[in-house]
Amino acid sequence: GAGVSQTPSNKVTEKGKYVELRCDPISGHTALYWYRQSLGQGPEFLIYFQGTGAADDSGLPNDRFFAVRPEGSVSTLKIQRTERGDSAVYLCASSFDGLTYNEQFFGPGTRLTVL
Amino acid sequence: AQRVTQPEKLLSVFKGAPVELKCNYSYSGSPELFWYVQYSRQRLQLLLRHISRESIKGFTADLNKGETSFHLKKPFAQEEDSAMYYCALKFGNEKLTFGTGTRLTIIP
Repeated sequence: GAGVSQTPSNKVTEKGKYVELRCDPISGHTALYWYRQSLGQGPEFLIYFQGTGAADDSGLPNDRFFAVRPEGSVSTLKIQRTERGDSAVYLCASSFDGLTYNEQFFGPGTRLTVL
Repeated sequence: AQRVTQPEKLLSVFKGAPVELKCNYSYSGSPELFWYVQYSRQRLQLLLRHISRESIKGFTADLNKGETSFHLKKPFAQEEDSAMYYCALKFGNEKLTFGTGTRLTIIP
């Protein structure tokens, strides 16, 4: 089947606005991860879901960032009051069950630009 | 705290020459290490993991706990190896810590 998909592929917004980024994991994958990749850096962990619950949100930079996965499939990353420093590529990944040795499959990313 | 260091941002190698991409890590626990690759206009994908001890596309990587290294090697570079390579460490709830990446360019 299809791999991990993310929408939109590009998002341009103004400082202070609210944005939502969507991730569709591979069907049947219970583990879902969000990463952020700033220019010239490697991906940086944000949050990990196991099923519907956020098992680890230690990477969220502040309370402007929030993510949900209400039915254990699609996830939405929400950013309030965006700042220019939020500009980055936001990557989503999923794996079969989040256990050791299970490969994380990455989506194409959403490029967020905050003007 | 866990950290992954890739000292080379850019690496250029002639076709047919050996390739070595360096990766060092710091982690107090038992590490699980990976190499991910991103080809031009493609998504990030797993190349290999240390636990599998496999060779993928001619690449190998050996975990050296004494030197805390996981260097990626290939004896004879090919043009299709040109890509961005990231070393990553898995810890905690399966989250990954990535290095800053090395852009490998193979010169024909």
